[in-house]
Formats: sequence, C-alpha cells, structure tokens
Amino acid sequence: DGGITQSPKYLFRKEGQNVTLSCEQNLNHDAMYWYRQDPGQGLRLIYYSQIVNDFQKGDIAEGYSVSREKKESFPLTVTSAQKNPTAFYLCASSADGGNQPQHFGDGTRLSIL
Amino acid sequence: GQQVMQIPQYQHVQEGEDFTTYCNSSTTLSNIQWYKQRPGGHPVFLIQLVKSGEVKKQKRLTFQFGEAKKNSSLHITATQTTDVGTYFCAENQGGSEKLVFGKGMKLTVNP
Repeated sequence: DGGITQSPKYLFRKEGQNVTLSCEQNLNHDAMYWYRQDPGQGLRLIYYSQIVNDFQKGDIAEGYSVSREKKESFPLTVTSAQKNPTAFYLCASSADGGNQPQHFGDGTRLSIL
Repeated sequence: GQQVMQIPQYQHVQEGEDFTTYCNSSTTLSNIQWYKQRPGGHPVFLIQLVKSGEVKKQKRLTFQFGEAKKNSSLHITATQTTDVGTYFCAENQGGSEKLVFGKGMKLTVNP
C-alpha cells in the first residue's frame, strides 16, 4: 500500500534543541515538500526538493534545514534558530512537481516544552 | 509572489443547504487545485482544473474555473456533516514546481 509516512506524530522540543521530523514515501515520487500549518493559516512552504541531492528554500526556510540523500526520504530539522517552532508540519510528495497533485502525510505536531 | 485569496474564510451552514466558496487571483492562473482537510487530518487532493471555463463534478461538489482563469469556485449541494473541514485552493506559480495555497475556507455544518 503506497503512501507517505511521517514520524513521530507528536514531538516536544526543549529550548536550544534541534529536532528532526521524518518523512518517507514509497510512491516513487520525484518531488517532496515540507509545509508548516498554523491555526487559521494556510500551508506555508518551508523547503522542497525536485530530485535527490537537490533542494530549494520555500517561503519560510529560516530556522529549518533539510536533506535529500534518497528519493524516498526528506527529513526536516527544526533548529534552535527557529524561535517559534510550535506548529503542525506536513510533508507531501508529487510525481514530478509543478501541476501534479500532492499527496500528504498525516503530519507531525511539534510543541515547545 | 502570487497569492490566491479564498472567500469566505469561514462558513457555517445548516445541513441540507447549498453554498459556494471562491478562490480569486489578480493574475491569470495556469491551473488550480482544490484540497480538503478534515479536522485533525491532512489535506487530500480533490480536483485539478486547467482549461478556461472548465467545470468538473464529484457527486455533490461542483468545481469551476473562470473564463479568464483568474478565479475558481466550489459549490456544494445539500451539505452534509461529512463535508465538514477546511477547503484549500492552490496554484503553481506560473508553471513553477511549487504550489501556493490559499488560507482555506473552514466549513462547519449544523445537523
């Protein structure tokens, strides 16, 4: 059964700590995306990747980092430089980006301790 | 960058009522996508519109792309409690590789 798996579902971060959110897909999609969702807001793009070993900043990349070493995996690190990390984080993938539909994971809810 | 504006931001309807929500842009869109996010869930792709004036139906949902490709509408007939959620429109900026999402229209239904 193909899909996107995000883990963990809930994550707590201490002050000054970096945390990494996992995103894995077995859809054989080339493009992967990370979004941040805050209450009453739409989806804001953090980073995206069109191909392995390449990624681009989205609209709110500051305080975040990513890697794309494998086609299936696109982990997101929320660094200590991100001063307001509490949000719902969604990972998505699409066949080749652009006008292709995006498939989303179940999300990770990150909170500050 | 280009943005799509969704109106209204919130909609509360009585079960059985019809309603329409809109997605507007100041510039011509190459295509528009619609997604639905149930409470506590993740966005799920509903439909994509590409052609000027295009109309697509999914059961009680009717999606339309404006003739000038600057707006899109979603009409729901005979709203049910299963329609509850937030509906997003999204467009890829001038054919780029990323989507820009509207802020969403949150629908609640009174049974």
